[in-house]
Amino acid sequence: EVRLLESGGGLVQPGGSLRLSCSASEFTSGTTGMSWVRQALGKGLEWVSSLSDYGGTHYADSVKGRFTISRDSSKNILYLQMNSLRADDTAVYYCANCRVYGSGWCNYLDDWGLGTLVTVSS
Amino acid sequence: DIVLTQSPVSLPVTPGEPASISCRSSQSLLYSDGYNYLDWYLQKPGQSPQLLIYLGSHRASGVSDRFSGSGSGTDFTLEISRVEAEDVGVYYCMEGLQTPFTFGGGTKVEIK
Repeated sequence: EVRLLESGGGLVQPGGSLRLSCSASEFTSGTTGMSWVRQALGKGLEWVSSLSDYGGTHYADSVKGRFTISRDSSKNILYLQMNSLRADDTAVYYCANCRVYGSGWCNYLDDWGLGTLVTVSS
Repeated sequence: DIVLTQSPVSLPVTPGEPASISCRSSQSLLYSDGYNYLDWYLQKPGQSPQLLIYLGSHRASGVSDRFSGSGSGTDFTLEISRVEAEDVGVYYCMEGLQTPFTFGGGTKVEIK
């Protein structure tokens, strides 16, 4: 089982920036992409962004233009650069592996990390 | 964007009894390859979400056979044949057909 570990969360002022990292314990054979999903305290899950293995990037409308997903394949690390942070970005951010069984590049999210808390507040 | 509506929001269950959760999609999740791009996740208290069912009815590795997924197109169901205490938590459906991927609002399962 692949272990994913997020880091980089913390307290930041509105308008500030943070970069989250997600490291994998090993090369994830069969992974076709990776995603970030967030969860505000006491709320449901919200998909944020995904990066496919062929390099395609996808964003939720709420973060488009502010967040950037990227990956360092040599180090098995996924990043989420978050700029112009707002109070409603406050949440636990999870990274997860994408897997494919049918068509496309991300049919379901297999391994999940433990999450890292981002708090945007003055 | 696809909207997923789960029901009920809260589900009190008796151990040993069956339970059922519904997930309805605003658009068909049945793709031309014959698969339904609908997954189910369970988030136990204090834990990260875990995959239960993918592509509508495929049980994930290590998941108890008490869990089953069914449905097609816009209507899907997660069934637990005999609820156990360890099944408590919030269940989410998620569509994997197109981005932005969306989750249902969640169903909280608790023991009576």
